[in-house]
Amino acid sequence: NAGVTQTPKFQVLKTGQSMTLQCAQDMNHEYMSWYRQDPGMGLRLIHYSVGAGITDQGEVPNGYNVSRSTTEDFPLRLLSAAPSQTSVYFCASSYEAPGDNEKLFFGSGTQLSVL
Amino acid sequence: DAKTTQPTSMDCAEGRAANLPCNHSTISGNEYVYWYRQIHSQGPQYIIHGLKNNETNEMASLIITEDRKSSTLILPHATLRDTAVYYCIVRVSPNAGGTSYGKLTFGQGTILTVHP
Repeated sequence: NAGVTQTPKFQVLKTGQSMTLQCAQDMNHEYMSWYRQDPGMGLRLIHYSVGAGITDQGEVPNGYNVSRSTTEDFPLRLLSAAPSQTSVYFCASSYEAPGDNEKLFFGSGTQLSVL
Repeated sequence: DAKTTQPTSMDCAEGRAANLPCNHSTISGNEYVYWYRQIHSQGPQYIIHGLKNNETNEMASLIITEDRKSSTLILPHATLRDTAVYYCIVRVSPNAGGTSYGKLTFGQGTILTVHP
């Protein structure tokens, strides 16, 4: 099992550019989520999904879009990148919603810099 | 916002037990306590979780007080590789609209430094 796979590992964007961070899991997990982590801060939830076709906002959703067309994939889209979106992004998944006796599996992260 | 309170940092000598405290005084009866850790620049790693009873696995032990308002993560024989940020997490209870469903909020965590 590959677990949770994030691509790319590193990305540099110019302000206003768009891109998609990819996240895939091969564990048949229903729940997937995106976090961002800024220096010296904890992880903040951006968006999450409790199953294919269902998404919802987390703490810091502005500037990000998500969709969940398959169980395996949960891409995060930046439509118009801003320097404030410079961060490390983590994708996570679990079989059911975390907190209900389920643990999260995290990917290795994507380090994004917006110039 | 996080419902837990942890010390900002702690030190531990290699080979000794590391005891990391966490306060969660507003925890609800059906909310689990989770512990994760994050080694520098890596994705967070699940350690252990529990509801009421004490739990133990190959990584650590979790002691939850009887009133469930606090807990302690115990690494029985800390090694240098246990140096990391440790997060104590309680799930945000769903509100009336259900929009908090499935959320885990990570606070600042405790920076544990294991020294030789």
